[in-house]
Amino acid sequence: DAGVTQSPTHLIKTRGQQVTLRCSPISGHKSVSWYQQVLGQGPQFIFQYYEKEERGRGNFPDRFSARQFPNYSSELNVNALLLGDSALYLCASSLATYDTGELFFGEGSRLTVL
Amino acid sequence: AQSVTQLDSQVPVFEEAPVELRCNYSSSVSVYLFWYVQYPNQGLQLLLKYLSGSTLVKGINGFEAEFNKSQTSFHLRKPSVHISDTAEYFCAVKQLTGGGNKLTFGTGTQLKVEL
Repeated sequence: DAGVTQSPTHLIKTRGQQVTLRCSPISGHKSVSWYQQVLGQGPQFIFQYYEKEERGRGNFPDRFSARQFPNYSSELNVNALLLGDSALYLCASSLATYDTGELFFGEGSRLTVL
Repeated sequence: AQSVTQLDSQVPVFEEAPVELRCNYSSSVSVYLFWYVQYPNQGLQLLLKYLSGSTLVKGINGFEAEFNKSQTSFHLRKPSVHISDTAEYFCAVKQLTGGGNKLTFGTGTQLKVEL
């Protein structure tokens, strides 16, 4: 079975641009979460979606937004990019929102902002 | 709110030696505890988790961890490491209720296994 897949794997943007990152969860998983991992740090929670509804939001500015589609895939959008947005963006899926918290992570999308 | 402290940013160890990676957490509510491993240029993989019951939990690749409620610790151990264990290790916590699937991670410990 395919794991969590993310695209693109690498991308370079300039300050002020917008970016969209995509995630396909494991088949049967209905919850998708997004994390930002800055170099040398642990992942930081951005969003969780379950059944197309936002179920949690971390301490990130409104420039960050996300959505989940009927097939449970998800997109993360970041507007007005700043240098500090350079990071590895990880998507994780799980069966539900209330389960024991085992998340399955994709390999991430590495964003570089110049 | 929860927080996780991984006291060692880097741990060098020789192959076949034992290793312990330390993790302490702070939380006003009960939590589940996890250890994840991240190999270079990859995502995170679950090593083990503590949900309830026995405080000693065994995971993949020969790793184990012990939950100590009084010391709010969840240290990761392996009796004999291999070169292939070289990776970044993250401790994480999740609220039992009310937090959805949000994981709070520590800053990570880089384990470097040398010959």
